[in-house]
Amino acid sequence: DVKVTQSSRYLVKRTGEKVFLECVQDMDHENMFWYRQDPGLGLRLIYFSYDVKMKEKGDIPEGYSVSREKKERFSLILESASTNQTSMYLCASAIGGVGNQPQHFGDGTRLSIL
Amino acid sequence: AQKVTQAQTEISVVEKEDVTLDCVYETRDTTYYLFWYKQPPSGELVFLIRRNSFDEQNEISGRYSWNFQKSTSSFNFTITASQVVDSAVYFCALSERTAGGTSYGKLTFGQGTILTVHP
Repeated sequence: DVKVTQSSRYLVKRTGEKVFLECVQDMDHENMFWYRQDPGLGLRLIYFSYDVKMKEKGDIPEGYSVSREKKERFSLILESASTNQTSMYLCASAIGGVGNQPQHFGDGTRLSIL
Repeated sequence: AQKVTQAQTEISVVEKEDVTLDCVYETRDTTYYLFWYKQPPSGELVFLIRRNSFDEQNEISGRYSWNFQKSTSSFNFTITASQVVDSAVYFCALSERTAGGTSYGKLTFGQGTILTVHP
């Protein structure tokens, strides 16, 4: 079974802090994704990566950056946290190559910015 | 731009009732994939089904069935004889291609439907 592990289930940070959310997958997947989930809006893609050191912006990249130094790890960075970044963050991974393979999700990190 | 609409925000049923979750999508791609995911209270999204745009056959898996109709751009999900364990948020999603034609499997999600099954 694919395992996608997010470092924290709950996180509380203060406005202006630099925040790191970590995600690790154990299935050697090429593609990894970061989404945020807000009530009534579904999941929205922040960034994704299709290879080590490769990244592309999703639909809502503003205020975020990402890092993929190793294939199994994909980090989301809030450069200067703001209250409107309070949300549930979900990481996912999928097999690369020919696309459209199902994404496998972590349990999510519920982030509160005070 | 691609879009997925789940018009039903919340559905409440009593156990053993059948329930259908609606999903309507918009895309300019001729080749695309549709997905359904389940998110139980624990939070992790669980993959249920993937369907490509060339396969309009309906699919049945136990109490779950899916009706894909390209003519109406819909991909509806039916749970037969619902159970309390079916209570979750259900998401429909569409997979898109980049401008260069390569697909990295990026998903566009609908807003989700909260299903509550009462005993």
